[in-house]
Amino acid sequence: DTAVSQTPKYLVTQMGNDKSIKCEQNLGHDTMYWYKQDSKKFLKIMFSYNNKELIINETVPNRFSPKSPDKAHLNLHINSLELGDSAVYFCASSQVNTGELFFGEGSRLTVL
Amino acid sequence: AQSVAQPEDQVNVAEGNPLTVKCTYSVSGNPYLFWYVQYPNRGLQFLLKYITGDNLVKGSYGFEAEFNKSQTSFHLKKPSALVSDSALYFCAVRDTTGGSYIPTFGRGTSLIVHP
Repeated sequence: DTAVSQTPKYLVTQMGNDKSIKCEQNLGHDTMYWYKQDSKKFLKIMFSYNNKELIINETVPNRFSPKSPDKAHLNLHINSLELGDSAVYFCASSQVNTGELFFGEGSRLTVL
Repeated sequence: AQSVAQPEDQVNVAEGNPLTVKCTYSVSGNPYLFWYVQYPNRGLQFLLKYITGDNLVKGSYGFEAEFNKSQTSFHLKKPSALVSDSALYFCAVRDTTGGSYIPTFGRGTSLIVHP
């Protein structure tokens, strides 16, 4: 039974399109995250949401928006895709007081 | 502000030899420290963490790490490396004194274990 699941695993799309990546966790965690991993494997926090508070990394373009219908889901929506958005996007969850993150398997986005 | 450094992009070790992957950190207060492993085309997996207490922390797959407050380090170690340990390893830190609960990750160290 997958703890953190994200779909789709692969996305190939054209510049200018809009896409969404879904994430669900069944661990009962109170906090969820989106990270971007670039071609050099560097991990950059994009968003964090813990029921009451959305924290946005100020360097993330506003074309990216998180949507959380409930505490078990944190979806990522991207408008007007650009070539530089090509990366692997990871969803993760945690209990904020224990700290360790549980990651999904990643969604590889390729923008052509 | 919190930061973490992994000074080696790559570590090479022969199978059966001990391995060390280095990590140093900077926080304003007390740290929570973590190690994660990433296999190719997979998500990160939690290995171990230091919150408080014993400076030597044991984790999954025979890995351990030692918290050294004076050197602000949290190096990952294993007494005998396996070829299957070859992967990308990330150190992460979270400052427990005020600030954000979001951990900061290092740039990763690629561990290559040669048969």
